[in-house]
Amino acid sequence: DAGVTQSPTHLIKTRGQQVTLRCSPKSGHDTVSWYQQALGQGPQFIFQYYEEEERQRGNFPDRFSGHQFPNYSSELNVNALLLGDSALYLCASSLVVGAPPDTQYFGPGTRLTVL
Amino acid sequence: AQSVTQLGSHVSVSEGALVLLRCNYSSSVPPYLFWYVQYPNQGLQLLLKYTSAATLVKGINGFEAEFKKSETSFHLTKPSAHMSDAAEYFCAVITGTASKLTFGTGTRLQVTL
Repeated sequence: DAGVTQSPTHLIKTRGQQVTLRCSPKSGHDTVSWYQQALGQGPQFIFQYYEEEERQRGNFPDRFSGHQFPNYSSELNVNALLLGDSALYLCASSLVVGAPPDTQYFGPGTRLTVL
Repeated sequence: AQSVTQLGSHVSVSEGALVLLRCNYSSSVPPYLFWYVQYPNQGLQLLLKYTSAATLVKGINGFEAEFKKSETSFHLTKPSAHMSDAAEYFCAVITGTASKLTFGTGTRLQVTL
């Protein structure tokens, strides 16, 4: 059973460019969450997708957008890149939100470097 | 708002010694608490979680944590450290109907011979 996969593993962009990161959830999972982990910090919640809609959003600007496809895979798009966007971007998948909350399983991440 | 505080950004123990990583939470409603481990250049792996059942939670690799409401704590312990335990450890919380994980700043565990 494949776990959460992310692509690419590394990416280098320059300021002002746009980037798209991809995530395939663990088999059977329908919810995808994205997190940003700056160097030396804990992950910060960006947003969560369920049934192809954004269900929750963290404190990130509109330059960060996402999408979920019918097969539950997801993309994270970042426009007008800033140096401060350099980070490890983590995708996590889980079953539909509820109580108690399902475990979120994380992928290996995409390391984005903005020059 | 929910939050977690991890005391000690770096902890060093000898192989075979007790591991104690501290986590305190802040929440106005009963929390769900998690410990994740991150090895270099990898994603996060769940060690254990508390979801309002037993207050003493056992996880993988010999780790356990105890939920103490009176102390708002969820400290992670392991009786005997192994070299392979060297990694970054994150405590996280979810509260109410929210499904986002709020992480602490992490504790880097070093295990020495």
